[in-house]
Amino acid sequence: AQSVTQLGSHVSVSEGALVLLRCNYSSSVPPYLFWYVQYPNQGLQLLLKYTSAATLVKGINGFEAEFKKSETSFHLTNPSAHMSDAAEYFCALTYRGGRRALTFGSGTRLQVQP
Amino acid sequence: DGGITQSPKYLFRKEGQNVTLSCEQNLNHDAMYWYRQDPGQGLRLIYYSQIVNDFQKGDIAEGYSVSREKKESFPLTVTSAQKNPTAFYLCASSIRRVLWKTDTQYFGPGTRLTVL
Repeated sequence: AQSVTQLGSHVSVSEGALVLLRCNYSSSVPPYLFWYVQYPNQGLQLLLKYTSAATLVKGINGFEAEFKKSETSFHLTNPSAHMSDAAEYFCALTYRGGRRALTFGSGTRLQVQP
Repeated sequence: DGGITQSPKYLFRKEGQNVTLSCEQNLNHDAMYWYRQDPGQGLRLIYYSQIVNDFQKGDIAEGYSVSREKKESFPLTVTSAQKNPTAFYLCASSIRRVLWKTDTQYFGPGTRLTVL
């Protein structure tokens, strides 16, 4: 069985500060991992994805994430937060073959203080 | 522009009524998915379809039904059997290039369903 755990339902940072959103996964097979962002009352937008090509993945808006198999983690970072980054962030997992649907974490709401 | 559309954006239902949520995509994607989002719970899979005329139950299919008669369309019906249907519903789609790969899912803007 696969699962995703996002530590911290709410994270608050100051504008210009480092953003770190944590994601740990459990999977019996090699995973594919995704980070999505959701603005209020909107759908999900893909930030970045890990599909086994490179462990450090760069996405849009300055975000990046590093796949660490030994730690079963895929934490999302941004070196400098902007007010426009305030949103909810979801880590999700799937795997090769199977039903291809995503298993989601419970989400982390990022607040950016001026 | 290619994309996924969902309608309506807001939907109100009286208890005991069935309602149908629309999901259309013009991305020529093979696979389509329905997720339900509740506060603090992330998204949970309701139904998915990997090809036309075929669909499978997800993790929380009870009280829901779907059809996949056309590649572009994957409507979701919320029936009166669904005990707590108030939620945000998201449709997604992905191409299905080869069996052993997983392709990125793209999401529609969602439908917020409220039971009165």
